[in-house]
Amino acid sequence: GQQLNQSPQSMFIQEGEDVSMNCTSSSIFNTWLWYKQDPGEGPVLLIALYKAGELTSNGRLTAQFGITRKDSFLNISASIPSDVGIYFCAGGYNNNDMRFGAGTRLTVKP
Amino acid sequence: DTGVSQDPRHKITKRGQNVTFRCDPISEHNRLYWYRQTLGQGPEFLTYFQNEAQLEKSRLLSDRFSAERPKGSFSTLEIQRTEQGDSAMYLCASSPWEGWETQYFGPGTRLLVL
Repeated sequence: GQQLNQSPQSMFIQEGEDVSMNCTSSSIFNTWLWYKQDPGEGPVLLIALYKAGELTSNGRLTAQFGITRKDSFLNISASIPSDVGIYFCAGGYNNNDMRFGAGTRLTVKP
Repeated sequence: DTGVSQDPRHKITKRGQNVTFRCDPISEHNRLYWYRQTLGQGPEFLTYFQNEAQLEKSRLLSDRFSAERPKGSFSTLEIQRTEQGDSAMYLCASSPWEGWETQYFGPGTRLLVL
């Protein structure tokens, strides 16, 4: 089962607003990743984080690897309608094991 | 398109039938992963290959499931004697040897067992 707690489960926001979501774990991870999934499609990698404390941006997206290595957050600035989808965090800690959160469903109202 | 591809995209089958799914990874990636995703959940790891060798299998992968990657390129996932609980999206992902964490997913095969 899932070992990552991702919150919030869903968000309804107005276009132009900023969004913040996070992921916490009772276990330490060596890598944190954030994916976006559209209905009927596979997850698409947004940002990968490799070091505790690392802050990485990809366009309007910014993610951070928590210094305790047990959490990560994703921010989306100035949301647009195409940001709609499900955002998943994933943590990796050995050669093959990656655990996913249950996702945050984002709805953006024009 | 040089991304991960999966076939078929959708499969409806009757309980007890066997089904097989195919995954073609990104050509230069030597790692290939299979995941299962049920509604409202994130992907759950099933198994992975390093080239043609199957190196890890999850406890989720019952003995009715078998995966192969005979030439280290495409992979197949077979489910024998399907059960209604097997209904899910089956996702394939691939990654390079270095940077295994940056896994690129295919579009998935959605299985419905009636």
